[in-house]
Amino acid sequence: DGGITQSPKYLFRKEGQNVTLSCEQNLNHDAMYWYRQDPGQGLRLIYYSQIVNDFQKGDIAEGYSVSREKKESFPLTVTSAQKNPTAFYLCASSMGQGNTIYFGEGSWLTVV
Amino acid sequence: GNSVTQMEGPVTLSEEAFLTINCTYTATGYPSLFWYVQYPGEGLQLLLKATKADDKGSNKGFEATYRKETTSFHLEKGSVQVSDSAVYFCALSVWTGNQFYFGTGTSLTVIP
Repeated sequence: DGGITQSPKYLFRKEGQNVTLSCEQNLNHDAMYWYRQDPGQGLRLIYYSQIVNDFQKGDIAEGYSVSREKKESFPLTVTSAQKNPTAFYLCASSMGQGNTIYFGEGSWLTVV
Repeated sequence: GNSVTQMEGPVTLSEEAFLTINCTYTATGYPSLFWYVQYPGEGLQLLLKATKADDKGSNKGFEATYRKETTSFHLEKGSVQVSDSAVYFCALSVWTGNQFYFGTGTSLTVIP
């Protein structure tokens, strides 16, 4: 089935560690996005990519990094510089300008 | 600029009550408008969309009409069910910049 797969669903990070969240899509979409959602809150854009090997910072990029080496993959690394990383992370993709955005099931990251 | 403002929650309704969640927007150009639904612990799912003025999106008994004159896209359902309990997000996308803009979400609880 076509869709967006995020893994892992649950992830625990120790202080000072980097962790990477995976996002894969088989929808042949050009654009991919990462959002952060805190409990009871809306979505905040971390990074987005409109094409392979190119990406732009969103509203809250500090402490995060991404890569887009393949069209179908857009991994997000939460670095130790992100001081409050505990949140729900959503990956999304879209065909492009003006088109519908589709979401993965999300990944929960908790700092222990 | 581009932005979405939606009704503050939480909203609590009895089963079979009428639902309205207000959404207004500001946009440069001609946006597409969307409603998404998020169930606890899951990603966002597209509920309905409209791509031009006067279009009506509908799905699962929910409806919303793209009103350019009032810059609104209010979500309605004639008779809600317990299973409609979720968080609803209004969103817009614009053709330039490949960006999506989300409202802050409205939590709906339907009680039997």
